[in-house]
Amino acid sequence: KAGVTQTPRYLIKTRGQQVTLSCSPISGHRSVSWYQQTPGQGLQFLFEYFSETQRNKGNFPGRFSGRQFSNSRSEMNVSTLELGDSALYLCASSLAAPRTLIAKNIQYFGAGTRLSVL
Amino acid sequence: SQELEQSPQSLIVQEGKNLTINCTSSKTLYGLYWYKQKYGEGLIFLMMLQKGGEEKSHEKITAKLDEKKQQSSLHITASQPSHAGIYLCGADSRYSGYSTLTFGKGTMLLVSP
Repeated sequence: KAGVTQTPRYLIKTRGQQVTLSCSPISGHRSVSWYQQTPGQGLQFLFEYFSETQRNKGNFPGRFSGRQFSNSRSEMNVSTLELGDSALYLCASSLAAPRTLIAKNIQYFGAGTRLSVL
Repeated sequence: SQELEQSPQSLIVQEGKNLTINCTSSKTLYGLYWYKQKYGEGLIFLMMLQKGGEEKSHEKITAKLDEKKQQSSLHITASQPSHAGIYLCGADSRYSGYSTLTFGKGTMLLVSP
């Protein structure tokens, strides 16, 4: 079974540009979560999608957005890039079973997209 | 919001030695996950603990959950260079909705030959 696939692996952008990152979850997984990882703040939750609906959102500005398609693939977009957006962006997928089946909420991560903003 | 504190922040051990990493939560733990990350790469799932007193082992890695102390520990026996990396604990908060994990800052482990 293929794992979580993120593309591209590396990106270099300049301030003010926008960027779109892609994530293909493990087959059968319906939930996709996005995280930002920086040396200073660690791993921070961005948002989570399930069946094309955003169910949860972290404390990030509106420049960060995402969407999920009917095949569960997800994209996240960052507009008007700032230097502070330089980070490793990680996508994770899970079965996202109801709360009582917490064992099925294990998140499996992709290799990440390293974004550098110059 | 829930916060997780990991200790130590970094650790250098000689190959063959044992080590322990701790993860302490500011709130009750309903699900605790351990991941390993190689620098600049994705997280690899190691183990998940749900119940107080639960203990799980995989190869030379053992994780325990002390619900009363709101703490989990990860113990590596007879460390090897392949154990080097960043270990992260993540908590599944009952109040944060589905599939949302709060992570500690991580413990960087180096294993010297």
